[in-house]
Amino acid sequence: KAGVTQTPRYLIKTRGQQVTLSCSPISGHRSVSWYQQTPGQGLQFLFEYFSETQRNKGNFPGRFSGRQFSNSRSEMNVSTLELGDSALYLCASSSGRVGSTDTQYFGPGTRLTVL
Amino acid sequence: QKEVEQNSGPLSVPEGAIASLNCTYSDRGSQSFFWYRQYSGKSPELIMFIYSNGDKEDGRFTAQLNKASQYVSLLIRDSQPSDSATYLCAAGAGRRALTFGSGTRLQVQP
Repeated sequence: KAGVTQTPRYLIKTRGQQVTLSCSPISGHRSVSWYQQTPGQGLQFLFEYFSETQRNKGNFPGRFSGRQFSNSRSEMNVSTLELGDSALYLCASSSGRVGSTDTQYFGPGTRLTVL
Repeated sequence: QKEVEQNSGPLSVPEGAIASLNCTYSDRGSQSFFWYRQYSGKSPELIMFIYSNGDKEDGRFTAQLNKASQYVSLLIRDSQPSDSATYLCAAGAGRRALTFGSGTRLQVQP
């Protein structure tokens, strides 16, 4: 079974630009979660999508948005980039079923650098 | 605020020793617990999950859960230099998002 894929792997943008990151979950998984990881803040939860609906949302400004398509692929968008948005953006895939063992599997991440 | 706490380390152990990584959580509603290993510059990789009190063993790894004390641990037996990484503890409850600790950096000295 193929794992979680994320594209692109690396991005360099300048302040004020916007960026779109893509994530394809493991086949059969319906839930996609997005995280931001920085050295200072660790792994911070952005949002989760399940069956094309946002199911959970972290404490990030509205510049961060996402969506999920009918094939469970997900995109996240960051508008008006700031220097502090430089981070590793991770996508995690899970089956989405409600229960105590819905394990998340991470993709390789997208390294975003904002200049 | 629901939190997961980990000692940032580094935890340094000699090769062949047992490494003990600890994690506490504040949300008593947490039902499932996960340990991820993250090498520098890479994404987190799932090692184990546990949701019942007691021990769960998988090869050289043992996860321990004590819900009364709100405490989770990961033991790595016969530690190898390749185990040197940051270990992330995460807690989950139903449909809520996982909460991650900041991670413990483990160094296994050859």
